[in-house]
Amino acid sequence: EPEVTQTPSHQVTQMGQEVILRCVPISNHLYFYWYRQILGQKVEFLVSFYNNEISEKSEIFDDQFSVERPDGSNFTLKIRSTKLEDSAMYFCASSLAEQETQYFGPGTRLLVL
Amino acid sequence: DQQVKQNSPSLSVQEGRISILNCDYTNSMFDYFLWYKKYPAEGPTFLISISSIKDKNEDGRFTVFLNKSAKHLSLHIVPSQPGDSAVYFCAASQYNNNDMRFGAGTRLTVKP
Repeated sequence: EPEVTQTPSHQVTQMGQEVILRCVPISNHLYFYWYRQILGQKVEFLVSFYNNEISEKSEIFDDQFSVERPDGSNFTLKIRSTKLEDSAMYFCASSLAEQETQYFGPGTRLLVL
Repeated sequence: DQQVKQNSPSLSVQEGRISILNCDYTNSMFDYFLWYKKYPAEGPTFLISISSIKDKNEDGRFTVFLNKSAKHLSLHIVPSQPGDSAVYFCAASQYNNNDMRFGAGTRLTVKP
């Protein structure tokens, strides 16, 4: 069964450093998403991406964040200058169409020191 | 932002019994609702969904009920199995908006 994959599974970085989280969505899916879950808190929407542009973003997704689909398969989330409060589990998801079920990857645990 | 609420942080049931997980929402524009199950160190796994045109959707042991007037949905698992032990998230979205809102989750423990 096709699945969403994410790399790395864990990332430790120093405050102020840039990180890039990578995702490979399900191959025929057209909509891509990033969510995060701070330890002990709810899963929060960050951004959705379709047709090579952001379709929606939350208030969390500020100028420090960017997303890209650099080739036909990868979908990346970049955090330019990480802050301590960026420490969280970051989940990528994809869906075949708008409002279709979103399928999640296993997550990348980001720890900012 | 508490548009989707799961007021029970945990639930414990005996194997073979029914598990009922509840979810309330405040945004009347939501028209698509999903339940996800999450095991530790894994991403949320889609379980079952329901659109606002229906009030019930069943898939094997899992049934989701939607009460639009009460802005309430519930997930019934029957019979419950120990492998169902996980955190269950309710999520909701509205037409033409991929911004899916999650509840805080309910940790279900099914005891053998």
